[in-house]
Amino acid sequence: DTEVTQTPKHLVMGMTNKKSLKCEQHMGHRAMYWYKQKAKKPPELMFVYSYEKLSINESVPSRFSPECPNSSLLNLHLHALQPEDSALYLCASSQDLGYGYTFGSGTRLTVV
Amino acid sequence: AQSVTQLGSHVSVSEGALVLLRCNYSSSVPPYLFWYVQYPNQGLQLLLKYTTGATLVKGINGFEAEFKKSETSFHLTKPSAHMSDAAEYFCAVNTPNSGGSNYKLTFGKGTLLTVNP
Repeated sequence: DTEVTQTPKHLVMGMTNKKSLKCEQHMGHRAMYWYKQKAKKPPELMFVYSYEKLSINESVPSRFSPECPNSSLLNLHLHALQPEDSALYLCASSQDLGYGYTFGSGTRLTVV
Repeated sequence: AQSVTQLGSHVSVSEGALVLLRCNYSSSVPPYLFWYVQYPNQGLQLLLKYTTGATLVKGINGFEAEFKKSETSFHLTKPSAHMSDAAEYFCAVNTPNSGGSNYKLTFGKGTLLTVNP
């Protein structure tokens, strides 16, 4: 298995909702990442997990809450989002910090 | 600190023509370099990467890139463009062995490739 799987592929949520994005990989990678990508822009790093511990939080608002329950799974919990948070959310993993990143196909999030 | 500059936000070629997408990097230590492709409404797919060794790197879909240290460049080429190559292309760099947070992938702003019939 050489893939990073993200669910759901599309999500529409209201500003008062709570939802979660899920990311899974079975390549034995020990580093996992959340990125946010706005239209016609490169991905922006949000969080880095290394060996299931949060390594980097790129000053992301607290309405985004990451969680790494085990080495294969990464979640992003969403609460009280704003319309400007609408974007493509990408998960990635790598064997260790750095090196080659494998990206998932993303979750297209729309906040209404 | 590391950075990437992609020259040309939009490149247009005819089908069958040479594709050349330019990428220059800045790094104080030997970099790892990557090219990713993104099709509309999809994630990023790794085209090719340079870490160490041979400076001419071959990737998927007929693409290749050459690491030129003296020019701090990692340009992406394909001899003959296909309609299916139309997509956004991102060059990226990291330096995982240099300590700190330099393992983070730094992206260029992207180049949109259009292929005309």
